Amino acid sequence: DAGVIQSPRHEVTEMGQEVTLRCKPISGHNSLFWYRQTMMRGLELLIYFNNNVPIDDSGMPEDRFSAKMPNASFSTLKIQPSEPRDSAVYFCASSFEDSEAFFGQGTRLTVV
Amino acid sequence: GQQLNQSPQSMFIQEGEDVSMNCTSSSIFNTWLWYKQDPGEGPVLLIALYKAGELTSNGRLTAQFGITRKDSFLNISASIPSDVGIYFCAGQLRNSGGSNYKLTFGKGTLLTVNP
Repeated sequence: DAGVIQSPRHEVTEMGQEVTLRCKPISGHNSLFWYRQTMMRGLELLIYFNNNVPIDDSGMPEDRFSAKMPNASFSTLKIQPSEPRDSAVYFCASSFEDSEAFFGQGTRLTVV
Repeated sequence: GQQLNQSPQSMFIQEGEDVSMNCTSSSIFNTWLWYKQDPGEGPVLLIALYKAGELTSNGRLTAQFGITRKDSFLNISASIPSDVGIYFCAGQLRNSGGSNYKLTFGKGTLLTVNP
């Protein structure tokens, strides 16, 4: 298995632009997590899905952030409009039920 | 919400030395996990602990699930240069419905090993 696949690996965008991050979980996994990592705050859970349904989105910073999981093999995290403080590494992870979560390589987002 | 306190924040050791790091929580978990993150990569699971009091080894790594369910430690014996990285603890509390698999992470311990 190729593992959790995230795209793009790097994204540089101007403030105010829309940003879409993509994730393909491991086949057969039914839980998907979006995390944000910064030096100041560490790894923060933004949202997670179980069987394509959002279970907990309490970590989503504000209305500018939205996440979707239209099917079991794809999820997106969208930021609109983006701001410099959104600069971070965004990780997607997947698991089967409560087994170990496997992380993707992350998307490094820079908003200038 | 639940918070994890991980210590130390960073460690500088000589190759061959043993290392110990720990996490404490303000509330209980029923699973403790330890991850390692290399530069430019996502965290990779090292050890998973599922029962209070459990002691588990994986090569030179040993981790324990505290009896109170509010703490865990990770030991690395005979460190080598490739042990360099950031180590994270993570706690998981599955709710009674069985569908809440949320992980809460500590802030990480940055390990530097001098050859």
